[in-house]
Amino acid sequence: DVKVTQSSRYLVKRTGEKVFLECVQDMDHENMFWYRQDPGLGLRLIYFSYDVKMKEKGDIPEGYSVSREKKERFSLILESASTNQTSMYLCATDTYTDTQYFGPGTRLTVL
Amino acid sequence: QKEVEQDPGPLSVPEGAIVSLNCTYSNSAFQYFMWYRQYSRKGPELLMYTYSSGNKEDGRFTAQVDKSSKYISLFIRDSQPSDSATYLCAMSEGAGGTSYGKLTFGQGTILTVHP
Repeated sequence: DVKVTQSSRYLVKRTGEKVFLECVQDMDHENMFWYRQDPGLGLRLIYFSYDVKMKEKGDIPEGYSVSREKKERFSLILESASTNQTSMYLCATDTYTDTQYFGPGTRLTVL
Repeated sequence: QKEVEQDPGPLSVPEGAIVSLNCTYSNSAFQYFMWYRQYSRKGPELLMYTYSSGNKEDGRFTAQVDKSSKYISLFIRDSQPSDSATYLCAMSEGAGGTSYGKLTFGQGTILTVHP
């Protein structure tokens, strides 16, 4: 079974803080994705990576950056958190099969 | 107009009912169609996966794709309280192109099946 883990289930941060969300997968998948999920908007792609040290912008990359130094680990960074980044963040992984496996999500609140 | 539109719901049905969930899309390059189920406070999990037009059945679940109408559906027969979840449709042009397997999701439909 594919296992995708995320570093925190719930996180509360203050405006202006630098926030790190980490995702780890154990299946040697090439592709990793970061989404945010908001009511009425579904899942929106922030960034994805198809190889180590490679990254591509998704549909809403503004205010975010990513890092992939190792194949199994993909980090999402909020350089200066703002209240409109309060959301559920979901990490996913796949291996060119269009079948994405999701982590449990991190619910981030920015005060 | 959003690339993928999903009936927003929420939907509340009695146990045993047939449930129909639907999505329309505008991108004719979509070839792969998926339904994900998401329980409260969990990540989405893949429920059904279909390539191109046609039907696919898995137990009480049937996925239908009509590419000519750009319309996909998920039917749940004999619905159970354990089917209560958010259902998300998702689509992809395919990993072979420039999209790297990117999925485009609908907004999600919250389904409640009451005993």
